[in-house]
Formats: sequence, structure tokens, C-alpha cells
Amino acid sequence: DGGITQSPKYLFRKEGQNVTLSCEQNLNHDAMYWYRQDPGQGLRLIYYSQIVNDFQKGDIAEGYSVSREKKESFPLTVTSAQKNPTAFYLCASSIGGELTYEQYFGPGTRLTVT
Amino acid sequence: DAKTTQPPSMDCAEGRAANLPCNHSTISGNEYVYWYRQIHSQGPQYIIHGLKNNETNEMASLIITEDRKSSTLILPHATLRDTAVYYCIVVQTGANNLFFGTGTRLTVIP
Repeated sequence: DGGITQSPKYLFRKEGQNVTLSCEQNLNHDAMYWYRQDPGQGLRLIYYSQIVNDFQKGDIAEGYSVSREKKESFPLTVTSAQKNPTAFYLCASSIGGELTYEQYFGPGTRLTVT
Repeated sequence: DAKTTQPPSMDCAEGRAANLPCNHSTISGNEYVYWYRQIHSQGPQYIIHGLKNNETNEMASLIITEDRKSSTLILPHATLRDTAVYYCIVVQTGANNLFFGTGTRLTVIP
């Protein structure tokens, strides 16, 4: 089955630690995205990548970093510089081009930092 | 930036049609209307999109007014599994991302 996997589903970290969230897709999609969602809020774009070895900042990139070394993978690192890292993190992908806005989402990772 | 206005919540009886409105009075000619939904604690799911014509797929119908200032998403026979937050998104071709606002929380009642 094609889809997007995110692991783990729940993640707990101590303040001051960096943590990397995994996102893998086997849809052969060119574009991948990371969003953050806070309780009762909509989604906000952190980073996106339209092609391997290239990525751009979204609306709230500060305190986050990404890499796109393979088409299938787009890991997100939440650094200790992120002031409020506790949130629900969602990864998505799309074919790109005219179908950029038909995005397929993973199940999400809920990160709690204490 | 929010370009759409949606009611915060709606109820619908199971088996009835759910009509979710969206106001996008400042939409421009090259902007599309997209609908997604998000079931609790899951990732959003694409439903449908349109430019100016009405659209229908296996999940829903999208009715866009002639002046394109508003639209309605119709779930023809709502089930309990349709309980979710529904997002109406206006996006310009060439934009880098989708803006998800707070959407409409639809509750389907048995």
C-alpha cells in the first residue's frame, strides 16, 4: 500500500534536547511538507521541499531544520532553539506541479517536551 | 493569511446531507477553492477542489456560486465517520503552500 509513514506516533523529550521526526513516503511524490498544529488551531507550514536536495522555509521555520537527501524521506529536526516545541507534527507529500495542493498527509507525531 | 470564513461548528443528523458553507469574498480569478477534512488526531485528508464549476467526486460535491464569493461542500449522506473538522482553503496557482485556518467542526449525530 502506498502512503506516508511518520514515526513515532508519540515522542517525549526533555527541554534542551534536539529531536528528529521521521517522515517516509512511497508514493513517488516530488514534493514534501512539514506542518505544525497546536490544540484548537489550524496547520502552519514549517518547511517544504519540491525536489531532492532542495527545501524552503515555511511560515514558522525558526528552531527547525530539515534535509531531503532522498526522494522518499524528509526528516524534521526540532532543535533546542524552538521555544514551544510541544505540538502535533504532520508530514505531507504531493506530486507537485498542478497537483501541488492535493496533499497526502501522514498520521502525525505528537511531540511533548518537558 | 485567512482568505476564508467558515462557521466554527455545525451538527448534522446521520443519513442527512451535510452542507458546509465557506465565504471567500476576496477570491481572485486564478485562485482555487480546496476542501480538506481532519478527523480527530489524524492527518488531514483531501476531499475536493474547484475553480468556478461545480465538482463532484466519490466523497462530496462542491458548489461554487457564480460570483465565486462563496462555496458549499455537500456530503450527501453523512455518516458518523464524517465527524471531523472541515477546512476550506483558497489557494493561488504558484503559491508555495496551503493555509489551513480553524475550519468547521462537523458533528454527525446518530
